[in-house]
Amino acid sequence: AIRMTQSPSSLSASTGDRVTITCRASQGISSYLAWYQQKPGKAPKLLIYAASTLQSGVPSRFSGSGSGTDFTLTISCLQSEDFATYYCQQYYSYPPWTFGQGTKVEIK
Amino acid sequence: EVQLVESGGGLVQPGGSLRLSCAASGFTFSSYEMNWVRQAPGKGLEWVSYISSSGSTIYYADSVKGRFTISRDNAKNSLYLQMNSLRAEDTAVYYCARGDGSPRGAFDIWGQGTMVTVSS
Repeated sequence: AIRMTQSPSSLSASTGDRVTITCRASQGISSYLAWYQQKPGKAPKLLIYAASTLQSGVPSRFSGSGSGTDFTLTISCLQSEDFATYYCQQYYSYPPWTFGQGTKVEIK
Repeated sequence: EVQLVESGGGLVQPGGSLRLSCAASGFTFSSYEMNWVRQAPGKGLEWVSYISSSGSTIYYADSVKGRFTISRDNAKNSLYLQMNSLRAEDTAVYYCARGDGSPRGAFDIWGQGTMVTVSS
């Protein structure tokens, strides 16, 4: 199975900050990488697929980049509603579909 | 509105069984691959099972293989997960999630989840 490793596991930031989360795959996954946002008590929400394509309705302050094994999710100007946990997922080689362990973005 | 609604969760003793359901609406259910994903309390996301649009292809995570059975009824727009021989480590919120319709795609629609607690 492909292992997905996110860093950091958590971070503290202020509204207006630029935030970057990284995700590394244990082997190349081309651009078959998705990012999800999950708020407490809620279901995950798809933000980005194909490493850099924004899902419909997702604000443009979210962006994704990378291919192969290294990927990043960037929030250009953090808003209060962005405080959540973010997960990456590979869908290149399955089963199993695998997720990173999550990155919790907290208020500083 | 495109929607997935899970039901069937609850408290069950170790070794017991439970059947989860996921009702789909707002889209042509029979055209989409479906998945079950779970999340143990305070933990990350774990993919559990996959079923193709026709039901002809099915996959399971090693952790549930031989104990869980995924199925679907396209006429009823419903997805199911039969869970047998339940263990404490199966305690989690279970989400149904739709494949995005591409041959190899992300999970674009998720239900709100249903809690399964395995405890004596």
